[in-house]
Amino acid sequence: GNSVTQMEGPVTLSEEAFLTINCTYTATGYPSLFWYVQYPGEGLQLLLKATKADDKGSNKGFEATYRKETTSFHLEKGSVQVSDSAVYFCALSNQAGTALIFGKGTTLSVSS
Amino acid sequence: SAVISQKPSRDICQRGTSLTIQCQVDSQVTMMFWYRQQPGQSLTLIATANQGSEATYESGFVIDKFPISRPNLTFSTLTVSNMSPEDSSIYLCSVEGLFDEQFFGPGTRLTVL
Repeated sequence: GNSVTQMEGPVTLSEEAFLTINCTYTATGYPSLFWYVQYPGEGLQLLLKATKADDKGSNKGFEATYRKETTSFHLEKGSVQVSDSAVYFCALSNQAGTALIFGKGTTLSVSS
Repeated sequence: SAVISQKPSRDICQRGTSLTIQCQVDSQVTMMFWYRQQPGQSLTLIATANQGSEATYESGFVIDKFPISRPNLTFSTLTVSNMSPEDSSIYLCSVEGLFDEQFFGPGTRLTVL
């Protein structure tokens, strides 16, 4: 079946540090891949997406590349800020009109 | 992207009571999804709601406990019935975008005492 595995958190970084949150997936066919962010006390916001192999999604300084050969979609940011502190969810969609499959989420805490 | 609102944003309820959560979208959509996010956990799909048909429930969720209405293409409700403390969660509705992504409402934070 389809599944998403994210690195365990929490991840604690100092401001301006480099961020990587690993995400790997299992799916049949060619899923679309997403990163969502949930700030404290808020709902989920779509951060970035990639719909086919080798696509790079980017937004707000975050990037992730759809790697079919390694079934990965790792989230990266070159210099994190305190305002990036949130929970990050990797997700996939294997078919239009069906629910997203989410990873367990990774909590990022950035200190100044 | 769709703009989604939910009401109420939060509530504290007594066990044994029911709460109806409303989800309003600013455009017509075919499918709406209801998720539950238990404290510190990821999202779990409760059901998929198509306008004009019965909602489709995921394993572990039943209509008697979580009845859903979908009266038109911009609105849906989820009722959490006969609540217990284990129902304390964030409940989120979502709709699908053009590229299989989903857009989420802000969530309803439910505490059951």
